[in-house]
Amino acid sequence: QVQLKESGPGLVQPSQTLSLTCTVSGFSLTSNSVHWVRQPPGKGLEWVGAIWSGGSTDYNSALKSRLSISRDTSKSQVFLKMNSLQTEDTAIYFCTKESYWGQGVMVTVSS
Amino acid sequence: DIVMTQTPSSQAVSAGEKVTMSCKSSQSLLYSENKKNYLAWYQQKPGQSPKLLISWASTRESGVPDRFIGSGSGTDFTLTISSVQAEDLAVYYCEQYYDTPLTFGSGTKLEIK
Repeated sequence: QVQLKESGPGLVQPSQTLSLTCTVSGFSLTSNSVHWVRQPPGKGLEWVGAIWSGGSTDYNSALKSRLSISRDTSKSQVFLKMNSLQTEDTAIYFCTKESYWGQGVMVTVSS
Repeated sequence: DIVMTQTPSSQAVSAGEKVTMSCKSSQSLLYSENKKNYLAWYQQKPGQSPKLLISWASTRESGVPDRFIGSGSGTDFTLTISSVQAEDLAVYYCEQYYDTPLTFGSGTKLEIK
């Protein structure tokens, strides 16, 4: 059974670094890609980036200078790191594989 | 980046009515080698994660009611709900996966009168 679950801090200070983890089960990261999508409160969906089955990555054009996605295949985990956080980065962050989505984790950027 | 434009931004219909919503892309999503359109439709109900309804512009996911119909090709796509039910209250998003970065439309909010 395919499952994805996001975890991370709910509150991050402005200018600090966000670190999120997506723990997956029911599939192999070496055969599947995992994407990150975010949604600011009351707004639409924004693709953040992805790590492909071979380990390469692609990022949202507006975020790529601040963003890094990596993985640990032995732990079935995918990591998102975003630095220089601003209030506009406040959002629910989802990890997803095709039709499967995690429940999302709410991240608030505030002092 | 490919820009996805969805219209209308919101729509109110009565149960049983037919509803259509549009999604236009700034460049073609049709890959000539396999004749597939790299376009997906998602449904997001309040407080829930998005749910994939349709991929490849017109292929319904398993378990999705057949009242949800995706159509179109190239740059113009449509999601039709043939007979809206109360549980269809949601925001509907299109997404292109033809090229990275992947991009979503801004959504169409469906309200039930």
